[in-house]
Amino acid sequence: KQEVTQIPAALSVPEGENLVLNCSFTDSAIYNLQWFRQDPGKGLTSLLLIQSSQREQTSGRLNASLDKSSGRSTLYIAASQPGDSATYLCAVNTGTASKLTFGTGTRLQVTL
Amino acid sequence: GAVVSQHPSWVICKSGTSVKIECRSLDFQATTMFWYRQFPKQSLMLMATSNEGSKATYEQGVEKDKFLINHASLTLSTLTVTSAHPEDSSFYICSARGERGSLHEQYFGPGTRLTVT
Repeated sequence: KQEVTQIPAALSVPEGENLVLNCSFTDSAIYNLQWFRQDPGKGLTSLLLIQSSQREQTSGRLNASLDKSSGRSTLYIAASQPGDSATYLCAVNTGTASKLTFGTGTRLQVTL
Repeated sequence: GAVVSQHPSWVICKSGTSVKIECRSLDFQATTMFWYRQFPKQSLMLMATSNEGSKATYEQGVEKDKFLINHASLTLSTLTVTSAHPEDSSFYICSARGERGSLHEQYFGPGTRLTVT
């Protein structure tokens, strides 16, 4: 059974800092891995999707990497802003009926 | 593109009543839809997978008679919470997979907050 863990569970940083969020998964047989953002009481916003054959994806200040063999992914946020404050979820698609297994999330707060 | 909507966005109902939540893919045909539940400060847990025209597949521990799922068309799936109880209060999110994007990419709805009093 696929298990996804995210570290840290919560993170508070001052504005302007670069930061890294970690995601690990137990079953390396994945189709893809996706990073989402969720604001309080809201749905999910897809940030980046990395196919199993890819090593990284970039979008603006966000960069996600994938090391499938070691079961790890990182989300790098450059020059953090208060508007980045949210919960960040990673999810892996193991291909079994395309089910997504979500991580526990990292609650990020960027302070002024 | 790849927009998924949910209705209602929030609902309050009394214990013992049933509530229906709709999930629609607005600009693509969704061959598969997924229903998730999220309790406060927790992650999303998959409840069931539904394919158009066939019965839903429920995850272990999810009562199929309590959470009725219908996927009658390629753009609509419904989740009915029957005989709702306060412990069913949660945030319900659907996602859809179909002809848009890669075969294994899901597009998520905005969620429905259910409160059972």
